[in-house]
Formats: sequence, C-alpha cells, structure tokens
Amino acid sequence: QVHLVQSGAEVKKPGASMRVSCKASGYSFTSYGISWVRQAPGQGLEWMGWISGYNGNINYAQKFQGRVTMTTDTSTNTAYMELRSLRSDDTAVYYCAREDDILPGPKRFDPWGQGTLVTVS
Amino acid sequence: DIQMTQSPSALSASVGDRVTITCRASQSIGNDLNWYQQKPGKAPNLLIYGATSLQSGVPSRFSGSGSGTDFTLTISSLQPEDFATYYCQQSFSTPRTFGHGTRVEIK
Repeated sequence: QVHLVQSGAEVKKPGASMRVSCKASGYSFTSYGISWVRQAPGQGLEWMGWISGYNGNINYAQKFQGRVTMTTDTSTNTAYMELRSLRSDDTAVYYCAREDDILPGPKRFDPWGQGTLVTVS
Repeated sequence: DIQMTQSPSALSASVGDRVTITCRASQSIGNDLNWYQQKPGKAPNLLIYGATSLQSGVPSRFSGSGSGTDFTLTISSLQPEDFATYYCQQSFSTPRTFGHGTRVEIK
C-alpha cells in the first residue's frame, strides 16, 4: 500500500527555518515526483513546488523562490522541504503528495501525506 | 499562471440530492484537471483525474466532465460522508493551481 508519512508538528519563531520530511513506502520512489502543498488555517490549497524522485529536477513556485529548498534521499525514500526566513503568514499545514513523473499520462497528486502543522509565532 | 475559478463557493444540499460543482480555467488546459475531496483535519483525497477518470476506490456516484476551460464534478446522489470541501486543480502547467474550493454542507 502506498503511503507518505510526514514529520511532526513544529513551532518556530519568526526568522527561523523549518524542515519537513516525507517518507514514502509501497512504490518505486524514483518513478514519481513529490509535490509540496500548504494550507493556511481556514484557507485553500497552495502549491509550493515539485521535485523529481527520478533525477532530482526541481520546479519551485515563484512565490517561494529563494526561500525554499526541496531535496530527496533515494537511499531512504524520503523527501524534504526546507523553508527559511519564516513569517507569521507561513503558519500552515504542509503536505507532501506523490505526483506522476517519468511515465506518460495524467499528472495527479495521490496519495498525500497526513500533513505537518507548522506554527510561526 | 493559470487561474482556476470554482463555483459555487458553498452549497447546502440534502442526502440523495444531485450536486454539481463547476470549475473554469483561465486558459485551455485540455483534460488536465483533477478533483479532490477534503474533510476537516484531513489531507485532500483524489477523486477524479484527467477530467473524467474515476480514481480507484472512489464511489461511482462521483463523476467528472468537461475539457478545455470548463469542467464539472457531479455527485449523483449525495451521501452523508460526502459533506466536505471539494477542490479542482490543473496539472497542465506549473505552477500547479487549485480552485478556492466548494464547501458542501448539510441542508
């Protein structure tokens, strides 16, 4: 069964950095990518970027360029997302989601991790 | 960036009702449109991908239609477990973008 398990909740001070992990199981990690999506309290879904599990190619949303770093460790099938210079409006639940990569066809987010609440205060 | 506009933002419906949610893209995205369901405190769950394909394990009362710029999610007979928020998302290009969501509430 395909699973993504994320690291636990964090509380950070403004200006600090955060790092969320996303451990994959049940599928070939290098055949898919991982997207990161966040959701501020009571708000909608915001895509932050994507990293290929195949070759490490990265695509960041312009909004986060310069402040975010996404990486993978193929030896442990884990993806990481680091966000720096945190502000109060970065308070959100951060999700990782598997996204189709090297295979042709529709691209979709499935499954999703359980989410990691990061509070900046 | 491709803007996704969902309507309505919220609706009230009864068990057994037919429910339709629409999503419009700011430019043509072919069939690169996905629908997700999200319940409070939970991660989103994929319902429909490629505009019309039902994700494995999703009940057949859910269906998707449309192409180009206009898309629809239909729930043929609303069940108690369907009260949730629904999001459309385009996978045509990056940045991936979502609609603002449609909250389906109990009437």
